[in-house]
Amino acid sequence: EPEVTQTPSHQVTQMGQEVILRCVPISNHLYFYWYRQILGQKVEFLVSFYNNEISEKSEIFDDQFSVERPDGSNFTLKIRSTKLEDSAMYFCASSARAAGGSRGSYNEQFFGPGTRLTVL
Amino acid sequence: KQEVTQIPAALSVPEGEDLVLNCSFTDSAIYNLQWFRQDPGKGLTSLLLIQSSQREQTSGRLNASLDKSSGRSTLYIAASQPGDSATYLCAVANAGGTSYGKLTFGQGTILTVHP
Repeated sequence: EPEVTQTPSHQVTQMGQEVILRCVPISNHLYFYWYRQILGQKVEFLVSFYNNEISEKSEIFDDQFSVERPDGSNFTLKIRSTKLEDSAMYFCASSARAAGGSRGSYNEQFFGPGTRLTVL
Repeated sequence: KQEVTQIPAALSVPEGEDLVLNCSFTDSAIYNLQWFRQDPGKGLTSLLLIQSSQREQTSGRLNASLDKSSGRSTLYIAASQPGDSATYLCAVANAGGTSYGKLTFGQGTILTVHP
């Protein structure tokens, strides 16, 4: 069964360093998302991406964050200068369609196993 | 701003019992609602998706209902097993504007099924 994969599973970095988190969405999906979960807190939306551009982003997703689809399979989240408060589990998700205006379960979001980012 | 709340925060039941998890949301303008399972330190596994036009969805021992107008959903688990022990998350996809499916999550219900 197709699944979303993420690498690395755990990333440790020093404050101020750049990190790139990688995701391979399900191959026929068109919509891609990043979420994060700080330990003990709710899962929070960061950004959605469609047709090679950001379609929506949250207040968390400031200038320190960027996303890219560098080729036909990978989807990356870059944090330019990490802060202690960026420590969290980062989840990538994908869906075949966007919510709204579609029938069936095509807009169901499938999540990867996550990358645990630890900023020291 | 959409807020999603799940009750109870934690639930412990003996094996074999049927149980109900509750989810409420403040803005009824949603496209769909998804229930997820999360095991400790792991990713989210999608259990059920209910479109805004649907009233319920079933998958095996799981049944999810949706009352959009009152902003409520329930996840019913029949004949619970120890393997059902996990955190169950409810998430809604907000409608309107340029939303492409941003999910707003509840804080989850931690379920423990003891033998």
